[in-house]
Amino acid sequence: KAGVTQTPRYLIKTRGQQVTLSCSPISGHRSVSWYQQTPGQGLQFLFEYFSETQRNKGNFPGRFSGRQFSNSRSEMNVSTLELGDSALYLCASSGGAVEQYFGPGTRLTVT
Amino acid sequence: QQQVKQSPQSLIVQKGGIPIINCAYENTAFDYFPWYQQFPGKGPALLIAIRPDVSEKKEGRFTISFNKSAKQFSLHIMDSQPGDSATYFCAASKLPSNYQLIWGAGTKLIIKP
Repeated sequence: KAGVTQTPRYLIKTRGQQVTLSCSPISGHRSVSWYQQTPGQGLQFLFEYFSETQRNKGNFPGRFSGRQFSNSRSEMNVSTLELGDSALYLCASSGGAVEQYFGPGTRLTVT
Repeated sequence: QQQVKQSPQSLIVQKGGIPIINCAYENTAFDYFPWYQQFPGKGPALLIAIRPDVSEKKEGRFTISFNKSAKQFSLHIMDSQPGDSATYFCAASKLPSNYQLIWGAGTKLIIKP
């Protein structure tokens, strides 16, 4: 099976802009989670989607949002970008068992 | 109470040595403890995971030791190789909410040839 794919891999945006990141889970996996990874804060849970519904959300401001489509692909959106949003954004998929499988991430740089 | 504390922050070991990475948690409700390995430019990859009903689990050269009373767990890498050089993360969650992993800060491991 193909692994989790994320697009784009690298992105440079300017403060105040918005960005959309995409994640395609492993075929058959219905749960998609998003994490933010930074050197200072480490890995932090953003939100998780299952069957197009957000099941849980981490402690991030409302500028961070996401959605999931009927084919389980997921997108996350960050509006009004701030310098502190520069990070590696990771997507993970799960197929019902406890294991999560991560994609390579999208490196977002905000200037 | 949601924290997972990981140590050391970095570790250098000679090839063939046994690096040990430790984690401690506070929330006694946690019942799933995975370890992930991350190489530069890649996402974390699941190495091995343990539930609190066992004290040790081995998969290849990787072993998790779990001490429920002390609320601690550790990763041992036997016969370490330069290819094991990576950042290792411990994590914890309360099943079935495995998607909401609470992560340790990570340990950067270097295996010297």
